[in-house]
Amino acid sequence: QEQLQESGPGLMKPSQTLSLTCNVSGGSISGGSYYWNWIRQPAGKGLEWIGRIYSRGSTNYNPSLKSRVTISLDTSENQFSLNLSSVTAADTAVYYCAREYTSFDYWGQGILVTVSS
Amino acid sequence: QSALTQPASVSGSPGQSIIISCTGTSSDVGGHNFVSWYQQHPGKAPKLIIYEVNNRPSGVSNRFSGSKSGNTASLTISGLQAEDEADYYCSSYTSTITLVVFGGGTKLTVL
Repeated sequence: QEQLQESGPGLMKPSQTLSLTCNVSGGSISGGSYYWNWIRQPAGKGLEWIGRIYSRGSTNYNPSLKSRVTISLDTSENQFSLNLSSVTAADTAVYYCAREYTSFDYWGQGILVTVSS
Repeated sequence: QSALTQPASVSGSPGQSIIISCTGTSSDVGGHNFVSWYQQHPGKAPKLIIYEVNNRPSGVSNRFSGSKSGNTASLTISGLQAEDEADYYCSSYTSTITLVVFGGGTKLTVL
């Protein structure tokens, strides 16, 4: 059974680059035909797909965030990461990592990231 | 504004059945069988309850079922229980460059 756990800063200032890591346990991140995703949820609002990386390394991003997003894979640490540049208050949200096959079947518990000066 | 349209709220009494709709287009819900549903309790991560339109993951109650007709997918919860009170989200792959879209979410209240 896969377990995912997000880590990273909880508070950021505008214009900084957000860096989050998702540690995966219970299976190899490079094994199988899975995508590894980042999804976010502003307080009281719905889910927004940010992007994903395939177990072989190819990426896809939400066009609305593509210019600011990079997702990468670290197979030696069995984790994947999200970088979101030039953050603003609008990026304040709970950020989730999730495994995807044809749906998001395993999720991390989420990490709240607040952007405030 | 979300790509998929869900009712903001639905309610039902214990033991009753409710249906939550999820309306998209021929580029997403209507064009794929990769529609999924998620249950989210307050302060918790979403939980997959239906995948590929009408399949339940292991461990999910058979009171949850999914279906699709045209551009609209539906989640049916039968025999409502107090623990079903939560937010529910639909999701679909899309043939547009967005790739993955979610509905805006539906708050289920068990009266």
